[in-house]
Amino acid sequence: SQWGEENLQALSIQEGEDVTMNCSYKTYTTVVHWYRQDSGRGPALIILIRSNEREKRSGRLRATLDTSSQSSSLSITAAQCEDTAVYFCATRDMGYKLTFGTGTSLLVDP
Amino acid sequence: NSKVIQTPRYLVKGQGQKAKMRCIPEKGHPVVFWYQQNKNNEFKFLINFQNQEVLQQIDMTEKRFSAECPSNSPCSLEIQSSEAGDSALYLCASSLDRGGAETLYFGSGTRLTVL
Repeated sequence: SQWGEENLQALSIQEGEDVTMNCSYKTYTTVVHWYRQDSGRGPALIILIRSNEREKRSGRLRATLDTSSQSSSLSITAAQCEDTAVYFCATRDMGYKLTFGTGTSLLVDP
Repeated sequence: NSKVIQTPRYLVKGQGQKAKMRCIPEKGHPVVFWYQQNKNNEFKFLINFQNQEVLQQIDMTEKRFSAECPSNSPCSLEIQSSEAGDSALYLCASSLDRGGAETLYFGSGTRLTVL
């Protein structure tokens, strides 16, 4: 899981497997962003889920949001080699910024 | 695909030297964010702007960091006197929304190395 002072989590799976990454946040948020970051590049948004949504899908991606437990998850179905990246969740705090989690490094082996 | 442009891609400075990096946000995006990402992939929010106005910034008590987003010019982040601990990837992002409710579009970053 991501957040707080946890170190970057690393996952290694085989192509075709499903994988789920979890994110816990500490303060109330109205939106959870999920970004992926490829080596040498800036993060790119893959899914944005709002507090009035419990689940959101985009292709092989599925995000969930549980505001009562202040947690979100990102699942990838039938992972492919090109899904190899670092994945971050980010939440909107009471100020004017997003706060990012510690990240999950996903390696998908062929 | 993000159209946020950051320059230079790499920056190498000696301790005590100034380090300046620039960012051109996506056209039509009024809000610009600067983040520092360390070697452990941890993000640290530095500052954000709406047009030319600072919205929020960290307590830059050392006063070594300064940033601006002038009208009709690239935004910039400058470190007045670089320290080894400033070595990191500096990411600029732009957005339509100042509160983080909408997507942040990131540039590829400026990787600063302080020798």
